[in-house]
Amino acid sequence: GAVVSQHPSWVICKSGTSVKIECRSLDFQATTMFWYRQFPKQSLMLMATSNEGSKATYEQGVEKDKFLINHASLTLSTLTVTSAHPEDSSFYICSARELGGMGTDTQYFGPGTRLTVL
Amino acid sequence: AQRVTQPEKLLSVFKGAPVELKCNYSYSGSPELFWYVQYSRQRLQLLLRHISRESIKGFTADLNKGETSFHLKKPFAQEEDSAMYYCALSGPYSSASKIIFGSGTRLSIRP
Repeated sequence: GAVVSQHPSWVICKSGTSVKIECRSLDFQATTMFWYRQFPKQSLMLMATSNEGSKATYEQGVEKDKFLINHASLTLSTLTVTSAHPEDSSFYICSARELGGMGTDTQYFGPGTRLTVL
Repeated sequence: AQRVTQPEKLLSVFKGAPVELKCNYSYSGSPELFWYVQYSRQRLQLLLRHISRESIKGFTADLNKGETSFHLKKPFAQEEDSAMYYCALSGPYSSASKIIFGSGTRLSIRP
């Protein structure tokens, strides 16, 4: 199946700094990618929908100025956590939608990025 | 409101026993339903979707619109089935639809 990568796989940063996470679709083009956040032993919470060439659509309660999303190409979306604080520590997962015919499009998930803010 | 409910956080069964992971949903319209699985230290992956009507790794799930349920079943559990299972939904056949996940059920198969 299709592969989605994330970089870095883990990152530790100081409070107040910004961190960029990359999500790439390796063998297909994705006009739409999604960013999720997962707390320990909890489900995935959708943060935003990243649309190639246009602004991201954020879910209610997600600060768009804090979580900057850029989807500049059909294979790359980035999530930047600005002025990170310890409460932003979490597991961030992206997914990329591969379009199929007749409703068979599929989302493929990246391996996730563990962010720890000290 | 769109919602997916998985009432069981943990389900533990013996190897060879039948398995049923419950999922109920709330959606105004006709959603597409999925089951995703996450094995230990692996990424989330699609297990099956209701429109495919496939049986994957012995698992099946039937969409019951009357009961708004999409329970996942397997007649004989195997140890390798131990994992985290998420029920999820999205809008019908729309390339812009987001996926909403349930809270997940951890399936543990005892030898």
